[in-house]
Amino acid sequence: GNSVTQMEGPVTLSEEAFLTINCTYTATGYPSLFWYVQYPGEGLQLLLKATKADDKGSNKGFEATYRKETTSFHLEKGSVQVSDSAVYFCALHSGGGADGLTFGKGTHLIIQP
Amino acid sequence: GAGVSQSPSNKVTEKGKDVELRCDPISGHTALYWYRQSLGQGLEFLIYFQGNSAPDKSGLPSDRFSAERTGGSVSTLTIQRTQQEDSAVYLCASSTRQGPRAYGYTFGSGTRLTVV
Repeated sequence: GNSVTQMEGPVTLSEEAFLTINCTYTATGYPSLFWYVQYPGEGLQLLLKATKADDKGSNKGFEATYRKETTSFHLEKGSVQVSDSAVYFCALHSGGGADGLTFGKGTHLIIQP
Repeated sequence: GAGVSQSPSNKVTEKGKDVELRCDPISGHTALYWYRQSLGQGLEFLIYFQGNSAPDKSGLPSDRFSAERTGGSVSTLTIQRTQQEDSAVYLCASSTRQGPRAYGYTFGSGTRLTVV
Protein backbone atom coordinates (compact mmCIF):
# COMPACT_ATOMS: atom_id res chain seq x y z
CA GLY A 1 0.00 0.00 0.00
CA ASN A 2 0.88 3.66 -0.11
CA SER A 3 2.79 5.30 2.71
CA VAL A 4 4.53 8.58 3.50
CA THR A 5 7.37 8.96 5.98
CA GLN A 6 8.53 12.35 7.17
CA MET A 7 10.99 13.43 9.80
CA GLU A 8 9.75 13.57 13.34
CA GLY A 9 9.55 16.88 15.07
CA PRO A 10 9.59 19.25 16.63
CA VAL A 11 12.18 20.95 14.48
CA THR A 12 13.45 24.14 16.10
CA LEU A 13 15.40 26.70 14.07
CA SER A 14 16.46 30.30 14.42
CA GLU A 15 15.03 32.95 12.14
CA GLU A 16 16.79 33.15 8.75
CA ALA A 17 18.10 29.58 9.02
CA PHE A 18 17.90 27.11 6.14
CA LEU A 19 15.10 24.58 6.41
CA THR A 20 14.85 21.02 5.16
CA ILE A 21 12.01 18.70 6.12
CA ASN A 22 12.55 15.24 4.68
CA CYS A 23 9.74 13.24 3.09
CA THR A 24 9.95 9.85 1.41
CA TYR A 25 7.15 7.76 0.02
CA THR A 26 6.08 4.33 -1.12
CA ALA A 27 3.37 4.17 -3.77
CA THR A 28 2.02 2.21 -6.68
CA GLY A 29 2.04 3.88 -10.06
CA TYR A 30 3.12 7.48 -10.47
CA PRO A 31 1.83 9.51 -7.54
CA SER A 32 1.23 13.21 -7.23
CA LEU A 33 2.99 14.72 -4.21
CA PHE A 34 1.89 17.52 -1.91
CA TRP A 35 2.97 19.57 1.07
CA TYR A 36 0.28 20.95 3.36
CA VAL A 37 0.78 23.46 6.18
CA GLN A 38 -1.31 23.84 9.32
CA TYR A 39 -0.93 27.08 11.24
CA PRO A 40 -1.96 27.11 14.91
CA GLY A 41 -5.71 26.80 15.33
CA GLU A 42 -6.39 26.42 11.62
CA GLY A 43 -7.09 23.67 9.11
CA LEU A 44 -4.64 22.37 6.55
CA GLN A 45 -3.73 24.54 3.57
CA LEU A 46 -2.11 23.31 0.39
CA LEU A 47 1.42 24.74 0.29
CA LEU A 48 2.78 23.26 -2.93
CA LYS A 49 2.51 20.26 -5.21
CA ALA A 50 4.22 18.32 -7.98
CA THR A 51 2.46 15.91 -10.27
CA LYS A 52 5.34 14.22 -12.12
CA ALA A 53 8.97 13.31 -11.73
CA ASP A 54 11.48 16.20 -11.66
CA ASP A 55 8.71 18.77 -11.20
CA LYS A 56 9.48 21.44 -8.62
CA GLY A 57 6.62 22.85 -6.57
CA SER A 58 7.14 26.25 -4.99
CA ASN A 59 5.16 28.74 -2.92
CA LYS A 60 5.94 31.41 -0.28
CA GLY A 61 9.66 30.74 -0.61
CA PHE A 62 9.25 27.00 -0.02
CA GLU A 63 10.33 24.47 -2.65
CA ALA A 64 10.18 20.73 -3.11
CA THR A 65 11.37 18.62 -6.04
CA TYR A 66 9.76 15.33 -7.02
CA ARG A 67 12.62 12.80 -7.04
CA LYS A 68 11.45 9.50 -8.43
CA GLU A 69 14.85 7.82 -8.16
CA THR A 70 14.97 8.41 -4.41
CA THR A 71 11.16 8.44 -3.88
CA SER A 72 11.51 11.72 -2.04
CA PHE A 73 9.86 15.13 -1.89
CA HIS A 74 11.89 17.11 0.65
CA LEU A 75 10.63 20.56 1.63
CA GLU A 76 13.19 23.39 1.68
CA LYS A 77 13.29 27.09 2.39
CA GLY A 78 16.36 29.26 2.27
CA SER A 79 15.53 31.65 5.11
CA VAL A 80 12.74 30.87 7.53
CA GLN A 81 10.66 33.40 9.45
CA VAL A 82 8.86 33.21 12.77
CA SER A 83 5.59 33.19 10.81
CA ASP A 84 6.59 29.87 9.23
CA SER A 85 6.05 28.14 12.58
CA ALA A 86 3.43 25.49 11.85
CA VAL A 87 2.91 21.78 11.27
CA TYR A 88 3.88 20.56 7.81
CA PHE A 89 2.35 17.44 6.23
CA CYS A 90 3.69 15.57 3.24
CA ALA A 91 1.05 13.69 1.22
CA LEU A 92 0.66 11.67 -1.94
CA HIS A 93 -2.06 10.61 -4.30
CA SER A 94 -1.52 7.49 -6.35
CA GLY A 95 -3.61 6.70 -9.39
CA GLY A 96 -4.08 3.13 -8.28
CA GLY A 97 -7.84 3.41 -8.01
CA ALA A 98 -8.28 5.07 -4.63
CA ASP A 99 -9.34 8.67 -4.53
CA GLY A 100 -7.81 9.73 -1.27
CA LEU A 101 -4.56 11.30 -0.19
CA THR A 102 -2.11 9.43 2.02
CA PHE A 103 -0.59 11.74 4.64
CA GLY A 104 2.59 11.63 6.66
CA LYS A 105 2.36 12.18 10.42
CA GLY A 106 3.36 15.81 10.20
CA THR A 107 6.43 17.77 11.31
CA HIS A 108 6.07 20.55 13.85
CA LEU A 109 8.36 23.45 12.93
CA ILE A 110 9.23 26.09 15.52
CA ILE A 111 11.11 29.21 14.43
CA GLN A 112 12.68 31.28 17.19
CA PRO A 113 13.42 35.00 16.75
CA GLY B 1 -19.47 28.47 -0.77
CA ALA B 2 -15.99 29.76 -1.29
CA GLY B 3 -14.43 27.30 1.10
CA VAL B 4 -15.17 24.28 3.24
CA SER B 5 -17.21 25.35 6.25
CA GLN B 6 -17.30 23.40 9.50
CA SER B 7 -19.45 23.99 12.54
CA PRO B 8 -19.22 24.39 15.40
CA SER B 9 -15.61 25.53 15.57
CA ASN B 10 -15.42 24.42 19.19
CA LYS B 11 -17.54 21.96 21.14
CA VAL B 12 -17.28 20.98 24.78
CA THR B 13 -19.46 18.07 25.80
CA GLU B 14 -19.90 15.81 28.79
CA LYS B 15 -18.80 12.22 28.62
CA GLY B 16 -21.64 10.01 27.46
CA LYS B 17 -23.44 12.69 25.44
CA ASP B 18 -23.93 12.54 21.67
CA VAL B 19 -22.46 15.21 19.38
CA GLU B 20 -23.00 16.20 15.76
CA LEU B 21 -20.35 17.90 13.68
CA ARG B 22 -21.26 19.54 10.41
CA CYS B 23 -19.32 20.02 7.18
CA ASP B 24 -20.45 22.10 4.22
CA PRO B 25 -18.12 21.37 1.28
CA ILE B 26 -17.27 23.56 -1.67
CA SER B 27 -20.16 23.68 -4.12
CA GLY B 28 -19.63 21.15 -6.88
CA HIS B 29 -17.12 19.04 -4.98
CA THR B 30 -18.34 15.47 -5.17
CA ALA B 31 -15.78 13.99 -2.77
CA LEU B 32 -15.87 14.64 0.98
CA TYR B 33 -13.51 13.30 3.63
CA TRP B 34 -13.47 13.32 7.43
CA TYR B 35 -10.23 13.11 9.40
CA ARG B 36 -9.42 13.19 13.09
CA GLN B 37 -6.34 14.91 14.46
CA SER B 38 -5.50 14.14 18.06
CA LEU B 39 -3.12 16.31 20.08
CA GLY B 40 0.38 15.91 18.69
CA GLN B 41 -0.72 13.26 16.22
CA GLY B 42 -1.07 13.10 12.47
CA LEU B 43 -4.25 12.80 10.48
CA GLU B 44 -6.43 9.76 11.04
CA PHE B 45 -8.76 8.98 8.13
CA LEU B 46 -12.34 8.36 9.23
CA ILE B 47 -14.72 8.23 6.27
CA TYR B 48 -14.96 9.17 2.60
CA PHE B 49 -17.98 10.03 0.43
CA GLN B 50 -17.88 10.17 -3.38
CA GLY B 51 -21.05 11.29 -5.11
CA ASN B 52 -23.88 8.83 -4.62
CA SER B 53 -21.61 5.84 -4.06
CA ALA B 54 -21.59 3.94 -0.79
CA PRO B 55 -19.16 5.66 1.61
CA ASP B 56 -15.81 4.20 2.58
CA LYS B 57 -16.22 3.77 6.34
CA SER B 58 -13.02 1.83 6.85
CA GLY B 59 -11.48 4.45 9.14
CA LEU B 60 -14.28 4.80 11.66
CA PRO B 61 -12.78 3.74 15.03
CA SER B 62 -15.92 2.25 16.57
CA ASP B 63 -19.65 1.82 16.02
CA ARG B 64 -20.20 4.97 18.08
CA PHE B 65 -19.09 6.93 15.03
CA SER B 66 -21.31 7.44 11.99
CA ALA B 67 -21.62 9.93 9.17
CA GLU B 68 -24.18 10.95 6.61
CA ARG B 69 -24.08 13.08 3.54
CA THR B 70 -27.42 14.41 2.42
CA GLY B 71 -28.07 15.30 -1.18
CA GLY B 72 -24.43 14.89 -2.05
CA SER B 73 -23.56 18.08 -0.20
CA VAL B 74 -23.59 18.72 3.57
CA SER B 75 -22.20 15.99 5.81
CA THR B 76 -22.78 15.31 9.49
CA LEU B 77 -20.40 13.27 11.63
CA THR B 78 -22.15 11.88 14.72
CA ILE B 79 -20.36 10.53 17.77
CA GLN B 80 -22.60 8.71 20.23
CA ARG B 81 -21.86 8.24 23.93
CA THR B 82 -18.71 10.34 23.70
CA GLN B 83 -15.59 9.26 25.56
CA GLN B 84 -12.62 11.35 26.66
CA GLU B 85 -10.43 9.71 24.01
CA ASP B 86 -12.74 11.22 21.37
CA SER B 87 -11.31 14.65 22.20
CA ALA B 88 -9.59 15.85 19.04
CA VAL B 89 -9.88 18.22 16.11
CA TYR B 90 -12.19 16.83 13.44
CA LEU B 91 -11.27 18.02 9.96
CA CYS B 92 -13.40 17.89 6.86
CA ALA B 93 -12.05 18.19 3.31
CA SER B 94 -13.57 18.15 -0.14
CA SER B 95 -12.38 17.79 -3.71
CA THR B 96 -13.65 17.30 -7.22
CA ARG B 97 -13.74 13.76 -8.58
CA GLN B 98 -10.43 14.25 -10.34
CA GLY B 99 -9.14 16.71 -7.79
CA PRO B 100 -6.94 14.73 -5.42
CA ARG B 101 -4.40 13.83 -8.06
CA ALA B 102 -4.06 17.30 -9.54
CA TYR B 103 -5.08 19.66 -6.77
CA GLY B 104 -5.22 17.79 -3.49
CA TYR B 105 -7.98 18.64 -1.04
CA THR B 106 -9.49 21.82 0.38
CA PHE B 107 -9.78 21.57 4.15
CA GLY B 108 -12.12 23.28 6.57
CA SER B 109 -10.82 24.88 9.76
CA GLY B 110 -11.99 21.95 11.85
CA THR B 111 -14.12 21.38 14.92
CA ARG B 112 -12.23 21.12 18.20
CA LEU B 113 -14.10 18.60 20.35
CA THR B 114 -13.39 18.40 24.06
CA VAL B 115 -15.06 15.67 26.11
CA VAL B 116 -15.04 16.39 29.85
